[in-house]
Amino acid sequence: NAGVTQTPKFRILKIGQSMTLQCTQDMNHNYMYWYRQDPGMGLKLIYYSVGAGITDKGEVPNGYNVSRSTTEDFPLRLELAAPSQTSVYFCASSYLSSSYNSPLHFGNGTRLTVT
Amino acid sequence: EDQVTQSPEALRLQEGESSSLNCSYTVSGLRGLFWYRQDPGKGPEFLFTLYSAGEEKEKERLKATLTKKESFLHITAPKPEDSATYLCAVQGVVRGSTLGRLYFGRGTQLTVWP
Repeated sequence: NAGVTQTPKFRILKIGQSMTLQCTQDMNHNYMYWYRQDPGMGLKLIYYSVGAGITDKGEVPNGYNVSRSTTEDFPLRLELAAPSQTSVYFCASSYLSSSYNSPLHFGNGTRLTVT
Repeated sequence: EDQVTQSPEALRLQEGESSSLNCSYTVSGLRGLFWYRQDPGKGPEFLFTLYSAGEEKEKERLKATLTKKESFLHITAPKPEDSATYLCAVQGVVRGSTLGRLYFGRGTQLTVWP
């Protein structure tokens, strides 16, 4: 049981490049989330999904896109990378919605630098 | 303006020296307060959920308590392996936001030296 797996662990992008951060979970959780963590700041929700085919914006969605074609996978797409997207990105999943106080299970993050 | 404020930002303790971390929040209609532990280079790991004022939860050397405006994470006789960043997150109607989302504090970085 691997939990939530994120790839890659590290990535350096040039301004204007695009990339996809991969996230997969093997716990059969319906709810999945993408957060970013900036130094000295709290985790900010980018996008979330309540099940395959259903996604919605979080607090800071600009510059990102997501898709959810399967229960297991929830990739995050960065188009036209900007220095402001330099951050550590965490994918998480939960059995129930976080609205029902279901704890989140996090991956180990992708550290992204845009130069 | 942060709706979830953690203090102190950093805390250094000698092994065995007990202390407390604080998490204060601005919420109407608290639905849940979470504590997570985060090790360097890792994702947050769930510790506790508290639902109502007066509630307490314990796990090994950690005890979390909740009042109407804040939560404390008490660490009794800490060991070096307790060194980590401790995150507080609140679920509820946060002023200026919408119900149904989790809001994280900035964390307290705890270092326990031998």
